[in-house]
Amino acid sequence: SQTIHQWPATLVQPVGSPLSLECTVEGTSNPNLYWYRQAAGRGLQLLFYSVGIGQISSEVPQNLSASRPQDRQFILSSKKLLLSDSSFYLCAWSDPGSSGVGTQYFGPGTRLTVL
Amino acid sequence: KQEVTQIPAALSVPEGENLVLNCSFTDSAIYNLQWFRQDPGKGLTSLLLIQSSQREQTSGRLNASLDKSSGRSTLYIAASQPGDSATYLCAVKGTYNFNKFYFGSGTKLNVKP
Repeated sequence: SQTIHQWPATLVQPVGSPLSLECTVEGTSNPNLYWYRQAAGRGLQLLFYSVGIGQISSEVPQNLSASRPQDRQFILSSKKLLLSDSSFYLCAWSDPGSSGVGTQYFGPGTRLTVL
Repeated sequence: KQEVTQIPAALSVPEGENLVLNCSFTDSAIYNLQWFRQDPGKGLTSLLLIQSSQREQTSGRLNASLDKSSGRSTLYIAASQPGDSATYLCAVKGTYNFNKFYFGSGTKLNVKP
């Protein structure tokens, strides 16, 4: 069965520090991978998605970036965190394109607090 | 651009009541619609997925319906329980871009004992 991991679960970082959040998927190959952000009491904001190694689509221009160095690994990064980056970050995967049923599966999330 | 709306934003009901959560979308060209549950501080858990060719899906006390022509979906919860308290989100997968999902902002449900 498929499993999606995110770490760390919680993170407290000072303003201006770098960020690296990691997401890995097991039990599937060539998935579409997604990074979302969710502010308290709000819906999901799509940040990045990837349809393959090295292929990143950015939805919201900001101080965040994403990379996909391996088929089932997705990394969210920042060189300098802002206070406004404090949020709940979620990684997700789905079958590629129009294949499969098209279900999206989510990881447990990372709670980031920038002080 | 696809817009997904969920009304109400919050709902409080007594235990045992049957309830309906609503999801509406502006573009009827969807591939599928998925309902999720989110507990506080947790990731999203998939509840039901309805393909564009289907009208409804059922799982236990949950029933989701889809009316593409009117751009609406409902999630029916029978005999609600305090354990059903969570935020429920719907998401649609478009046909123009199979790689993107569009989410509503969710309905926060509180089932009182």
